[in-house]
Amino acid sequence: EAGVTQFPSHSVIEKGQTVTLRCDPISGHDNLYWYRRVMGKEIKFLLHFVKESKQDESGMPNNRFLAERTGGTYSTLKVQPAELEDSGVYFCASSRLLGGTGELFFGEGSRLTVL
Amino acid sequence: DQQVKQNSPSLSVQEGRISILNCDYTNSMFDYFLWYKKYPAEGPTFLISISSIKDKNEDGRFTVFLNKSAKHLSLHIVPSQPGDSAVYFCALKTSYDKVIFGPGTSLSVIP
Repeated sequence: EAGVTQFPSHSVIEKGQTVTLRCDPISGHDNLYWYRRVMGKEIKFLLHFVKESKQDESGMPNNRFLAERTGGTYSTLKVQPAELEDSGVYFCASSRLLGGTGELFFGEGSRLTVL
Repeated sequence: DQQVKQNSPSLSVQEGRISILNCDYTNSMFDYFLWYKKYPAEGPTFLISISSIKDKNEDGRFTVFLNKSAKHLSLHIVPSQPGDSAVYFCALKTSYDKVIFGPGTSLSVIP
């Protein structure tokens, strides 16, 4: 069974440009999460999908960030326009069950550098 | 407002000794408490969890303790091994499946 995959692994863009990160969760996992880690600090919650619906998007920093999950499968996170403070590692995670133990399966992350 | 705190950014332990990592949280809305381990350039991986109705869960060398009245969680690793060197994150799950993470503690196990 394939794990959570994220693309690209690293993206370098200039301030004001647009970047789209993609996450393919483990097949059959209804829960999909996006997190961000900045400067080696905490893994900050951004949002949580259940299938194609946004269950909780309270961690999204502002309206420059847009997350979608088409048909309840893969998800994209678009940053437009990117700012310097958006730099960090964006992790995607998935889990199968609602009401489970909280065991999430993480991808390796997409490192975003905004110059 | 930081709901999850790990007050020790780093910890150094001799191989074979016990490693104790601590985590404090600020409210009671969580139904599961977890520990994740992260190596450089990799995503976090699940290590062990405990339900809010229990106070201890053990899995091999890893034991998690929960003190709900003190809002305190700890992870004991015994005996510690060099391969345990990693960043350990405390994580808390709500009944709505939101999972939030602490800032992490970097553990170094010295051979």
